[in-house]
Amino acid sequence: AQKVTQAQTEISVVEKEDVTLDCVYETRDTTYYLFWYKQPPSGELVFLIRRNSFDEQNEISGRYSWNFQKSTSSFNFTITASQVVDSAVYFCALSENSGGSNYKLTFGKGTLLTVNP
Amino acid sequence: KAGVTQTPRYLIKTRGQQVTLSCSPISGHRSVSWYQQTPGQGLQFLFEYFSETQRNKGNFPGRFSGRQFSNSRSEMNVSTLELGDSALYLCASSLTPTSFTGELFFGEGSRLTVL
Repeated sequence: AQKVTQAQTEISVVEKEDVTLDCVYETRDTTYYLFWYKQPPSGELVFLIRRNSFDEQNEISGRYSWNFQKSTSSFNFTITASQVVDSAVYFCALSENSGGSNYKLTFGKGTLLTVNP
Repeated sequence: KAGVTQTPRYLIKTRGQQVTLSCSPISGHRSVSWYQQTPGQGLQFLFEYFSETQRNKGNFPGRFSGRQFSNSRSEMNVSTLELGDSALYLCASSLTPTSFTGELFFGEGSRLTVL
């Protein structure tokens, strides 16, 4: 079973539309971290946000917002008024304890977002 | 501030050969992680080094190995290459091990093609 599930493989929207990328995770740990990364065509992943398991506050950063709900094990990402530059693959990731004080990061399969002009 | 630098960016090898990839982390970062990215399996964790010690290892065969030098630069090696090793290999650095923050700074990757 996947630990991080991004059910949407590809999403295509028209510029200025709002779009939500879904992420569902699975863990038995009580302490864990969730992340979103963006991978533009150039290849390098860019960190967007980190949330720890004790902080369920939603966060807004410009056109980006994140909704963390432990009850449904979801950490969804919304882009408001999308722009062409938002076109990229977006990865959700889970960091959980892999033994002792070590954590391991597991990525979802990613969602390819295409924003058309 | 220079980012994470990976070399070479592209390379082509044949089955049975071996390959070494290099990663120079952001100055001051002591943790380096390696990931393999393929269309089918997505991003998979290979290993993580912190202060020259391997802290974590993913589920890859022993043909995949790595090391970290005292200047935090890291190399990974794949021996006896197989067609399935064709992938984008991403290196990421961070100030502390992913145990604590998980915020990683990635390079642009080395794209390996095995023929």
